[in-house]
Amino acid sequence: KQEVTQIPAALSVPEGENLVLNCSFTDSAIYNLQWFRQDPGKGLTSLLLIQSSQREQTSGRLNASLDKSSGRSTLYIAASQPGDSATYLCAVGGFEGETSGSRLTFGEGTQLTVNP
Amino acid sequence: DTGVSQDPRHKITKRGQNVTFRCDPISEHNRLYWYRQTLGQGPEFLTYFQNEAQLEKSRLLSDRFSAERPKGSFSTLEIQRTEQGDSAMYLCASSFPGELFFGEGSRLTVL
Repeated sequence: KQEVTQIPAALSVPEGENLVLNCSFTDSAIYNLQWFRQDPGKGLTSLLLIQSSQREQTSGRLNASLDKSSGRSTLYIAASQPGDSATYLCAVGGFEGETSGSRLTFGEGTQLTVNP
Repeated sequence: DTGVSQDPRHKITKRGQNVTFRCDPISEHNRLYWYRQTLGQGPEFLTYFQNEAQLEKSRLLSDRFSAERPKGSFSTLEIQRTEQGDSAMYLCASSFPGELFFGEGSRLTVL
Protein backbone atom coordinates (compact mmCIF):
# COMPACT_ATOMS: atom_id res chain seq x y z
CA LYS A 1 0.00 0.00 0.00
CA GLN A 2 1.38 3.39 -1.01
CA GLU A 3 2.09 5.80 1.83
CA VAL A 4 2.98 9.46 1.35
CA THR A 5 4.72 11.54 4.01
CA GLN A 6 5.30 15.27 3.99
CA ILE A 7 7.88 17.04 6.09
CA PRO A 8 7.68 19.45 7.81
CA ALA A 9 4.05 19.47 8.91
CA ALA A 10 4.21 23.21 9.41
CA LEU A 11 6.65 25.92 8.37
CA SER A 12 6.81 29.63 9.15
CA VAL A 13 9.20 31.87 7.22
CA PRO A 14 9.76 35.59 6.65
CA GLU A 15 8.75 37.10 3.34
CA GLY A 16 11.36 36.79 0.60
CA GLU A 17 12.88 33.55 1.82
CA ASN A 18 13.41 30.61 -0.52
CA LEU A 19 12.03 27.38 0.88
CA VAL A 20 11.77 23.66 0.21
CA LEU A 21 8.88 21.34 1.02
CA ASN A 22 9.54 17.61 1.10
CA CYS A 23 7.44 14.64 0.06
CA SER A 24 8.38 10.97 0.31
CA PHE A 25 6.53 7.87 -0.86
CA THR A 26 7.02 4.21 -0.06
CA ASP A 27 6.32 2.58 -3.45
CA SER A 28 8.58 3.94 -6.19
CA ALA A 29 6.43 2.43 -8.97
CA ILE A 30 4.44 5.60 -9.48
CA TYR A 31 2.77 6.87 -12.62
CA ASN A 32 2.86 10.55 -11.73
CA LEU A 33 3.12 13.00 -8.86
CA GLN A 34 1.11 16.14 -8.38
CA TRP A 35 1.54 19.10 -6.02
CA PHE A 36 -1.52 21.02 -4.84
CA ARG A 37 -2.21 24.12 -2.80
CA GLN A 38 -5.17 24.34 -0.44
CA ASP A 39 -6.39 27.53 1.24
CA PRO A 40 -8.40 27.17 4.49
CA GLY A 41 -11.88 25.79 3.86
CA LYS A 42 -11.30 25.65 0.11
CA GLY A 43 -10.69 23.04 -2.55
CA LEU A 44 -7.35 22.05 -4.05
CA THR A 45 -5.53 24.04 -6.69
CA SER A 46 -3.16 22.08 -8.92
CA LEU A 47 0.35 23.56 -8.97
CA LEU A 48 2.53 21.09 -10.86
CA LEU A 49 2.21 17.62 -12.39
CA ILE A 50 5.33 15.49 -12.90
CA GLN A 51 5.11 12.32 -14.98
CA SER A 52 7.21 9.38 -13.80
CA SER A 53 9.59 9.82 -16.74
CA GLN A 54 10.30 13.45 -15.81
CA ARG A 55 12.77 14.81 -13.24
CA GLU A 56 11.28 18.25 -12.66
CA GLN A 57 8.64 20.79 -13.60
CA THR A 58 8.64 24.56 -13.21
CA SER A 59 5.90 27.14 -13.03
CA GLY A 60 6.81 30.71 -12.17
CA ARG A 61 8.43 30.76 -8.72
CA LEU A 62 7.69 27.07 -8.18
CA ASN A 63 9.93 24.15 -9.08
CA ALA A 64 9.13 20.54 -8.29
CA SER A 65 11.64 17.73 -8.61
CA LEU A 66 11.10 13.98 -8.63
CA ASP A 67 13.56 11.24 -7.69
CA LYS A 68 11.53 8.10 -8.23
CA SER A 69 14.26 5.67 -7.23
CA SER A 70 14.60 7.20 -3.77
CA GLY A 71 10.86 7.85 -3.41
CA ARG A 72 11.19 11.61 -2.99
CA SER A 73 9.90 14.86 -4.39
CA THR A 74 10.60 18.42 -3.39
CA LEU A 75 8.69 21.62 -4.03
CA TYR A 76 10.91 24.68 -4.14
CA ILE A 77 9.30 28.09 -3.69
CA ALA A 78 11.48 31.07 -4.56
CA ALA A 79 11.13 34.51 -3.00
CA SER A 80 8.15 33.58 -0.84
CA GLN A 81 5.27 36.04 -0.42
CA PRO A 82 2.49 36.29 2.20
CA GLY A 83 0.05 35.19 -0.52
CA ASP A 84 1.87 31.85 -0.64
CA SER A 85 0.52 31.03 2.82
CA ALA A 86 -1.53 27.85 2.46
CA THR A 87 -1.31 24.09 2.91
CA TYR A 88 0.71 22.31 0.24
CA LEU A 89 -0.23 18.74 -0.57
CA CYS A 90 1.75 16.12 -2.44
CA ALA A 91 -0.10 13.26 -4.17
CA VAL A 92 1.12 10.23 -6.13
CA GLY A 93 -0.72 8.26 -8.78
CA GLY A 94 -0.09 4.56 -9.28
CA PHE A 95 -0.23 2.16 -12.19
CA GLU A 96 -3.72 0.78 -12.76
CA GLY A 97 -3.63 -0.33 -16.38
CA GLU A 98 -5.31 2.09 -18.74
CA THR A 99 -6.49 4.22 -15.84
CA SER A 100 -3.01 4.75 -14.41
CA GLY A 101 -2.58 7.90 -12.41
CA SER A 102 -6.29 8.19 -11.78
CA ARG A 103 -6.32 7.39 -8.08
CA LEU A 104 -4.13 9.71 -6.02
CA THR A 105 -2.67 8.94 -2.62
CA PHE A 106 -2.14 12.15 -0.66
CA GLY A 107 0.21 13.18 2.09
CA GLU A 108 -1.12 15.14 5.05
CA GLY A 109 0.33 18.38 3.78
CA THR A 110 2.71 21.10 4.91
CA GLN A 111 1.06 24.20 6.36
CA LEU A 112 3.10 27.19 5.20
CA THR A 113 2.94 30.66 6.73
CA VAL A 114 4.88 33.50 5.12
CA ASN A 115 5.16 36.48 7.43
CA PRO A 116 5.31 40.05 6.05
CA ASP B 1 -16.37 26.63 -18.36
CA THR B 2 -14.32 27.89 -15.45
CA GLY B 3 -13.72 24.69 -13.53
CA VAL B 4 -15.24 21.93 -11.43
CA SER B 5 -18.43 23.03 -9.69
CA GLN B 6 -19.85 21.48 -6.52
CA ASP B 7 -23.18 22.02 -4.82
CA PRO B 8 -24.04 22.67 -2.07
CA ARG B 9 -20.90 24.19 -0.59
CA HIS B 10 -22.11 23.58 2.95
CA LYS B 11 -24.66 21.15 4.36
CA ILE B 12 -25.68 20.75 7.99
CA THR B 13 -27.90 17.78 8.73
CA LYS B 14 -29.11 15.69 11.62
CA ARG B 15 -27.87 12.17 12.18
CA GLY B 16 -29.93 9.68 10.23
CA GLN B 17 -30.90 12.01 7.40
CA ASN B 18 -29.92 11.48 3.77
CA VAL B 19 -27.81 14.01 1.89
CA THR B 20 -26.86 14.37 -1.76
CA PHE B 21 -23.97 16.29 -3.29
CA ARG B 22 -23.65 17.24 -6.94
CA CYS B 23 -20.50 17.72 -9.01
CA ASP B 24 -20.25 19.24 -12.47
CA PRO B 25 -16.85 18.47 -14.00
CA ILE B 26 -14.93 20.44 -16.58
CA SER B 27 -16.93 19.80 -19.72
CA GLU B 28 -14.35 17.94 -21.84
CA HIS B 29 -13.13 15.74 -18.96
CA ASN B 30 -14.19 12.11 -19.13
CA ARG B 31 -12.92 11.09 -15.68
CA LEU B 32 -14.57 12.18 -12.46
CA TYR B 33 -13.43 11.45 -8.91
CA TRP B 34 -14.79 11.78 -5.38
CA TYR B 35 -12.50 12.24 -2.39
CA ARG B 36 -13.17 12.85 1.29
CA GLN B 37 -11.06 15.06 3.52
CA THR B 38 -11.21 15.43 7.29
CA LEU B 39 -9.60 18.26 9.22
CA GLY B 40 -5.82 18.18 9.15
CA GLN B 41 -5.64 15.20 6.81
CA GLY B 42 -5.00 14.79 3.13
CA PRO B 43 -7.91 13.79 0.88
CA GLU B 44 -8.79 10.10 0.66
CA PHE B 45 -10.01 8.48 -2.54
CA LEU B 46 -13.64 7.30 -2.55
CA THR B 47 -14.54 6.42 -6.14
CA TYR B 48 -14.10 7.38 -9.76
CA PHE B 49 -15.89 7.25 -13.09
CA GLN B 50 -14.73 7.07 -16.66
CA ASN B 51 -17.64 8.49 -18.61
CA GLU B 52 -20.70 6.87 -16.99
CA ALA B 53 -18.90 3.75 -15.75
CA GLN B 54 -17.92 3.57 -12.08
CA LEU B 55 -14.53 1.86 -12.34
CA GLU B 56 -13.35 1.73 -8.76
CA LYS B 57 -14.72 2.12 -5.25
CA SER B 58 -12.66 2.45 -2.10
CA ARG B 59 -13.32 0.32 0.95
CA LEU B 60 -14.09 3.66 2.63
CA LEU B 61 -17.30 3.79 0.59
CA SER B 62 -19.69 1.87 2.82
CA ASP B 63 -23.10 0.61 1.70
CA ARG B 64 -24.61 3.89 2.85
CA PHE B 65 -22.73 5.73 0.12
CA SER B 66 -23.71 5.65 -3.53
CA ALA B 67 -22.38 7.61 -6.47
CA GLU B 68 -23.76 7.96 -9.96
CA ARG B 69 -22.77 9.67 -13.15
CA PRO B 70 -25.69 9.38 -15.56
CA LYS B 71 -24.83 10.11 -19.17
CA GLY B 72 -21.21 10.69 -18.22
CA SER B 73 -21.73 14.33 -17.31
CA PHE B 74 -22.48 15.50 -13.76
CA SER B 75 -22.20 13.17 -10.78
CA THR B 76 -24.06 12.80 -7.50
CA LEU B 77 -22.83 11.37 -4.23
CA GLU B 78 -25.57 10.31 -1.83
CA ILE B 79 -25.05 9.41 1.81
CA GLN B 80 -27.92 7.60 3.46
CA ARG B 81 -28.59 7.50 7.21
CA THR B 82 -25.77 9.94 7.95
CA GLU B 83 -23.55 9.40 10.98
CA GLN B 84 -21.41 11.93 12.84
CA GLY B 85 -18.34 10.24 11.41
CA ASP B 86 -19.46 11.28 7.94
CA SER B 87 -18.69 14.92 8.79
CA ALA B 88 -15.98 15.93 6.32
CA MET B 89 -15.26 17.89 3.16
CA TYR B 90 -16.33 15.97 0.05
CA LEU B 91 -14.18 16.90 -2.91
CA CYS B 92 -14.87 16.25 -6.56
CA ALA B 93 -12.19 16.30 -9.25
CA SER B 94 -12.06 15.70 -12.98
CA SER B 95 -9.39 14.93 -15.56
CA PHE B 96 -9.00 14.08 -19.20
CA PRO B 97 -6.95 12.05 -17.90
CA GLY B 98 -3.66 13.33 -16.48
CA GLU B 99 -3.75 16.33 -14.20
CA LEU B 100 -6.63 16.35 -11.71
CA PHE B 101 -8.61 19.54 -11.18
CA PHE B 102 -10.61 19.84 -7.98
CA GLY B 103 -13.74 21.75 -7.09
CA GLU B 104 -14.22 23.88 -3.98
CA GLY B 105 -15.73 20.96 -2.07
CA SER B 106 -18.94 20.34 -0.17
CA ARG B 107 -18.57 20.52 3.59
CA LEU B 108 -20.89 18.20 5.51
CA THR B 109 -21.63 18.62 9.20
CA VAL B 110 -23.69 15.90 10.85
CA LEU B 111 -25.18 16.91 14.21
